[in-house]
Amino acid sequence: QQQVKQSPQSLIVQKGGIPIINCAYENTAFDYFPWYQQFPGKGPALLIAIRPDVSEKKEGRFTISFNKSAKQFSLHIMDSQPGDSATYFCAAKRGSTLGRLYFGRGTQLTVWP
Amino acid sequence: GAVVSQHPSWVICKSGTSVKIECRSLDFQATTMFWYRQFPKQSLMLMATSNEGSKATYEQGVEKDKFLINHASLTLSTLTVTSAHPEDSSFYICSARPRQGDSNQPQHFGDGTRLSIL
Repeated sequence: QQQVKQSPQSLIVQKGGIPIINCAYENTAFDYFPWYQQFPGKGPALLIAIRPDVSEKKEGRFTISFNKSAKQFSLHIMDSQPGDSATYFCAAKRGSTLGRLYFGRGTQLTVWP
Repeated sequence: GAVVSQHPSWVICKSGTSVKIECRSLDFQATTMFWYRQFPKQSLMLMATSNEGSKATYEQGVEKDKFLINHASLTLSTLTVTSAHPEDSSFYICSARPRQGDSNQPQHFGDGTRLSIL
């Protein structure tokens, strides 16, 4: 059973566009929602994360929007660049589970120059 | 800071051999380490969770005798794929959870090991 559902599976945008990736969860015990960026042949790297007490967090060109009542969160990439082409994973963690992360299926983003 | 080193990055070996993958936290102590498996264009699948000095907890469907995990110190965990076969070929990724207060991230990931069994 997928604890975190992610969409779309793939996304293609032009340079300068704003790709949006969405995730949804059911378990209200989740208290930490990170996004990871993974390049081919590399491990995932933390991009940005949010906790449920805020509705939005911005770091550089990356913004997380969080809707607690809808149990959804999304990643927006402003002014996307070809170097942003990668696979993005959303994840969620419960407070008492020794840091175990539940990952979405991933979104392969391609940014055309 | 918070670097996780995984070695080797790529290994090719014959069917039937055993392969050991190391995961080291270089500048922090890891109370817990996680091992993942990732198939092409798929998500990370948690295989097992290990705590220093105790037996690993394996996820359902993961063979304990096939994938041996040792977490001998707060900075090193190893995954040994025993009697590897072509279906074990995959990308294996480790991550390490810092001691509380050492980092605000739940896990730091290594760069993975690509295992190819001929």
